[in-house]
Amino acid sequence: AQTVTQSQPEMSVQEAETVTLSCTYDTSENNYYLFWYKQPPSRQMILVIRQEAYKQQNATENRFSVNFQKAAKSFSLKISDSQLGDTAMYFCAFMGTTSGTYKYIFGTGTRLKVLA
Amino acid sequence: DVKVTQSSRYLVKRTGEKVFLECVQDMDHENMFWYRQDPGLGLRLIYFSYDVKMKEKGDIPEGYSVSREKKERFSLILESASTNQTSMYLCASSLGGAKNIQYFGAGTRLSVL
Repeated sequence: AQTVTQSQPEMSVQEAETVTLSCTYDTSENNYYLFWYKQPPSRQMILVIRQEAYKQQNATENRFSVNFQKAAKSFSLKISDSQLGDTAMYFCAFMGTTSGTYKYIFGTGTRLKVLA
Repeated sequence: DVKVTQSSRYLVKRTGEKVFLECVQDMDHENMFWYRQDPGLGLRLIYFSYDVKMKEKGDIPEGYSVSREKKERFSLILESASTNQTSMYLCASSLGGAKNIQYFGAGTRLSVL
């Protein structure tokens, strides 16, 4: 069975600094998708970034980038130039493609606080 | 913009009551999902649906049922609410296909007393 592990329950970073959130996963599939979602306090969860496993190039969205290491089954999120609005719960998620179902496997989340 | 609307942000119910949580999406998405979010446990899938009148059990379906009579609406039902069902409930929807992202509602925080 697939699993997703986020080993950092809480993190903090100074405004304008860089922070990396870690995520590891376990799967026997070769094709799959990985996601980072952000849940701000009392607000809806939204997608931050998505990585397709067959693409070697790391995905980037403005200040957000990932370090995808397929062999190591690692998918970390780097936030550059952290802003107060980045304070949120961040979830890593895995979606396989072979089961025929479109179910996410979520990690337990990392609560990130950006300090002024 | 995709909109996923959950009928209540906060709900307080008594043990044994039948509880309905409603979710509506406006983007004609095939897939809809109900999750439960608890501290330290992340999001756990309760039920999902690929089409009208179709439903599949997720990881924690016990004590819950669902209904999807129309494509845009997916209801979660607690037949007889219990205190261990106190939680945050999130609804999501997506187009078909593994690469398609899920869009989430704002959540319903349910307290069962």
